[in-house]
Amino acid sequence: KAGVTQTPRYLIKTRGQQVTLSCSPISGHRSVSWYQQTPGQGLQFLFEYFSETQRNKGNFPGRFSGRQFSNSRSEMNVSTLELGDSALYLCASSLAETSHNEQFFGPGTRLTVL
Amino acid sequence: QKEVEQDPGPLSVPEGAIVSLNCTYSNSAFQYFMWYRQYSRKGPELLMYTYSSGNKEDGRFTAQVDKSSKYISLFIRDSQPSDSATYLCAMSFGGYQKVTFGIGTKLQVIP
Repeated sequence: KAGVTQTPRYLIKTRGQQVTLSCSPISGHRSVSWYQQTPGQGLQFLFEYFSETQRNKGNFPGRFSGRQFSNSRSEMNVSTLELGDSALYLCASSLAETSHNEQFFGPGTRLTVL
Repeated sequence: QKEVEQDPGPLSVPEGAIVSLNCTYSNSAFQYFMWYRQYSRKGPELLMYTYSSGNKEDGRFTAQVDKSSKYISLFIRDSQPSDSATYLCAMSFGGYQKVTFGIGTKLQVIP
C-alpha cells in the first residue's frame, strides 16, 4: 500500500509570492491534516479536511488556506509569503472512522522563502 | 506557556542504555497521548498511543501516562543506534479534535 505522498518535496519562493502544496493520502483515507514544522515552534496544526469539508482549524492567519477534492487529495495554499513561512509542511492522513485514528505522515514539503 | 512542554535536548546516550523521554502538559482535558518518532528528512511515524492514564508496552518501548501530574513518559530499553531520531509527544481531546505536539527531543544513541 502506497504511503502519503507530498509534492513538491522542496520549494524556494520569494516574499510576496504564493505557493500551492499537494498531498495524496493513503488509499481509503478520508481525513487529511496539515502541519507546519519549524525548529522554534515544532509541529503546529494548520487544518484538517474530511470529505471535502474543513473540520478543524488551527491558529494561522487567513493567508493559509486549503481544500480537499472528492478523491481525498488535498492542497494547501499560502498567499503573500513571508520569511517566517519558511518551514517543513507536513500532511497526514487517517481513516477517521472512529474518534481516534492513527495519522500517517508524508515526507513533507520543505519551503524556503527568500 | 505552551500547552505541551518537551525538552528539545539533544540527548546523547551510549548503546544499550535505558532512555527516558518526557512531556508535561497544562490542559487536563487531553485524553489521547501519543509518541511519534521522526528520522531526519522524514515525516513523523506513530510509535505508541494510550488512552487516559496507565502504561503500555510494545517491545523495547514503554509509554506511561500520569494524568494527575499531567506528565507522560516514553522509555526505550536496550537503546540502539537506529533509535537515533527526534521523539515527539502528542495529545488530543479525542472526538476528531486536533492533535497538539511537543517540540520534540532529539536523541542520539552512540555505538
